[in-house]
Amino acid sequence: AQSVTQLDSHVSVSEGTPVLLRCNYSSSYSPSLFWYVQHPNKGLQLLLKYTSAATLVKGINGFEAEFKKSETSFHLTKPSAHMSDAAEYFCVVSGHNYGQNFVFGPGTRLSVLP
Amino acid sequence: GAVVSQHPSWVICKSGTSVKIECRSLDFQATTMFWYRQFPKQSLMLMATSNEGSKATYEQGVEKDKFLINHASLTLSTLTVTSAHPEDSSFYICSARDWDEAFFGQGTRLTVV
Repeated sequence: AQSVTQLDSHVSVSEGTPVLLRCNYSSSYSPSLFWYVQHPNKGLQLLLKYTSAATLVKGINGFEAEFKKSETSFHLTKPSAHMSDAAEYFCVVSGHNYGQNFVFGPGTRLSVLP
Repeated sequence: GAVVSQHPSWVICKSGTSVKIECRSLDFQATTMFWYRQFPKQSLMLMATSNEGSKATYEQGVEKDKFLINHASLTLSTLTVTSAHPEDSSFYICSARDWDEAFFGQGTRLTVV
């Protein structure tokens, strides 16, 4: 079984300051991990993914995440927040098999203050 | 990247009527598609896994007779909400897996009045 924990339901940062969104996962086998962003009343957009290659993954819009197996973590970071980053962020875990679904974390709402 | 198209993006229907939501993989074949439901300010919860040419697999607590899923081709899965009631109002999202990545439809906001 797989599960995802996002430790913060809401994170608030000032524009121009760093962003850290935390994610821990549980998986009985080597996982694939993803971060998706959802703006209000919109669908999901993939930010980045880890699929057993490099542990430091760079995504779109300046986001990156590091897979740490020993800590079962996949935290999302960005050096400098922008107002347009305000949204809901979901950490997602899946297996490598084609028929496996994607298990979503509860989400973290990011607010960016001017 | 691959594209999943979901239609309609929003729908309002009367209680007791049925609503069909379509999910299409536009440039790849998807033997498996997934249907999720999202309540306001909550995460996505898997409702069912749709398999081409066979019966869907429903998650515990999801009524298969209320949420009918058909996956008749490698590029199309449909979710029909039968005899809809206001408590069925929600955001429904489909996804299809292409190798190591899931591609999501834009979602359907269903409002039952």
